[in-house]
Amino acid sequence: RKEVEQDPGPFNVPEGATVAFNCTYSNSASQSFFWYRQDCRKEPKLLMSVYSSGNEDGRFTAQLNRASQYISLLIRDSKLSDSATYLCAVIGPMDSNYQLIWGAGTKLIIKP
Amino acid sequence: NAGVTQTPKFRVLKTGQSMTLLCAQDMNHEYMYWYRQDPGMGLRLIHYSVGEGTTAKGEVPDGYNVSRLKKQNFLLGLESAAPSQTSVYFCASSQLGWVAEQFFGPGTRLTVL
Repeated sequence: RKEVEQDPGPFNVPEGATVAFNCTYSNSASQSFFWYRQDCRKEPKLLMSVYSSGNEDGRFTAQLNRASQYISLLIRDSKLSDSATYLCAVIGPMDSNYQLIWGAGTKLIIKP
Repeated sequence: NAGVTQTPKFRVLKTGQSMTLLCAQDMNHEYMYWYRQDPGMGLRLIHYSVGEGTTAKGEVPDGYNVSRLKKQNFLLGLESAAPSQTSVYFCASSQLGWVAEQFFGPGTRLTVL
């Protein structure tokens, strides 16, 4: 089982719609959680951190569910410019250390 | 500020050749990382550094070496390239370690024939 799993998609969503996707993590000792955005053939960039109390930034809302071991990202009123791959990243134990462990990403396509 | 830069952007190698990828950051960050990204897989950590003169192994270090002689530079070396090392390589840096935002370079697309 992968440490961090995401539905690869693609999610095809009409402009203006709301879309949500999840990221599950396998190790309950995982500590911090992030969503990064990666445009096609570009580098990842931090979208938002995910706090225990949830986090909202404009149209984007991130939630953490420790009991079920997943984080979620909700995008409201989606724009064409939201088309990208969304990577989740989790700080979790790896060997004898903690490292940032990445999901493979969920591809989102916003259609006009 | 240029942020994080990587050279080269593209490279094609033959099996057995060697090369060095250069990463430079101008944000005075302590931590630097080398990742590889393959289709259908998440970013995988190759090596990382928590400060000048220090390096540590990540998840997939075999076949790679690194050096951090200067704080702003982090070099990734392939001693004898193999087709399995065909990938996109990203360098990243952060100020405060794993919990801090990582800033990525534009990537190097490497093909090993």
